[in-house]
Amino acid sequence: EIVLTQSPGTLSLSPGERATLSCRASQSVNRNYVAWFQQSPGQAPRLLIYGASSRATGIPDRFSGSGSGTDFTLTIGRLEPEDFTVYYCQQYGNSYTFGQGTKLE
Amino acid sequence: QLQLQESGPGLVKPSETLSLTCTVSGGSISGSSYYWGWIRQPPGKGLEWIGSIYYSGTTYYNASLKSRVSIAVDMSKKQFSLKLNSVTAADTAVYYCTRDQSGYSFDYWGQGTLVTVSS
Repeated sequence: EIVLTQSPGTLSLSPGERATLSCRASQSVNRNYVAWFQQSPGQAPRLLIYGASSRATGIPDRFSGSGSGTDFTLTIGRLEPEDFTVYYCQQYGNSYTFGQGTKLE
Repeated sequence: QLQLQESGPGLVKPSETLSLTCTVSGGSISGSSYYWGWIRQPPGKGLEWIGSIYYSGTTYYNASLKSRVSIAVDMSKKQFSLKLNSVTAADTAVYYCTRDQSGYSFDYWGQGTLVTVSS
């Protein structure tokens, strides 16, 4: 099983700042099949990024993904108030596993 | 717009079977690129993939749950279902049904349903 480790666990920033969230895999992810999800309180997760760097439909361009192999990053260019919530990375190149989440506060 | 809706009991007794159904509307359940899956989230914790099914009936399960899980599809009703047997308190979670589009991961989610395991 591929284990995903997200860092930091909590990220404290202000609106307008840039956020960088990290996701490290225990082994290389096939075809860089890494996705990022945003989950607001009481809501289902929302797909932001798939294939490590492709934005899902309707996702603002302040969200971007990068990385390959075992190291992946989600960057939020200029934080809006609604961005302060929890983010999960997920790999789907070899079965499916999720990271433990990063809380953006 | 594709919509998924979970339904089923919100309370299950220990050792019994958890049964949920997901109804798909606004789109096809038989697309060749689509799998249909279940994911759960214990209160205050992270996400765990349970399993997925293709419209043909081919299933894939999380190895840690495989011995207790069964997922089935009913094309005529545009529904797929989850059964998890021998439940314990550790199975208490919000259960989400999802669409898994090949190459895109989980792009549509139901709103989720809380299932509590308690006597």
